[in-house]
Amino acid sequence: NAGVTQTPKFQVLKTGQSMTLQCAQDMNHEYMSWYRQDPGMGLRLIHYSVGAGITDQGEVPNGYNVSRSTTEDFPLRLLSAAPSQTSVYFCASSSPSGSLGDTQYFGPGTRLTVL
Amino acid sequence: QQQVKQSPQSLIVQKGGISIINCAYENTAFDYFPWYQQFPGKGPALLIAIRPDVSEKKEGRFTISFNKSAKQFSLHIMDSQPGDSATYFCAASKAGGTSYGKLTFGQGTILTVHP
Repeated sequence: NAGVTQTPKFQVLKTGQSMTLQCAQDMNHEYMSWYRQDPGMGLRLIHYSVGAGITDQGEVPNGYNVSRSTTEDFPLRLLSAAPSQTSVYFCASSSPSGSLGDTQYFGPGTRLTVL
Repeated sequence: QQQVKQSPQSLIVQKGGISIINCAYENTAFDYFPWYQQFPGKGPALLIAIRPDVSEKKEGRFTISFNKSAKQFSLHIMDSQPGDSATYFCAASKAGGTSYGKLTFGQGTILTVHP
């Protein structure tokens, strides 16, 4: 199992450009989430999905779109990049079966810089 | 609005010492409290977790202490080793299936263990 994979690893954008961060998981998990990590802020939830076709907003959703057409994939779209979106982005997946609680498995992250 | 507050921001410990990281939460609906460990350039990984029906959970050198009345929980790392040097995040969520995919994280603690 590859677990949770994210592409690209690094990306530099200019203000106003758009792009899609890719996330895929091969564990057949129902739940997938996107977080951003900023120094001193921890990880903050952007959007999450409880299954194919179902998404909802997290704590910091503005400027981001998501969709989930399959169980495996959960792309994050930046519509018009802003310097405030410079961050490290993590995708995670989880499944409630057999666990104490929400054990989320994280990808390796995408480091995004917006100039 | 930070629902989970973590301290200290950074911690330096000598090899063999005890590392202690503290977290406090506000939402009394939270009933699942995991700790994640993150090495540089990697995604966070679950270290240990607790539900509020117990006051302490130990796994090897790692122990969570939980104080429900004070809405506080802490991570203790006994016999700290240089390999424990990482960033540690506390988190919280509701344990029910509808709350999966929505962890609320603390700000993180950078732990450095000197040989």
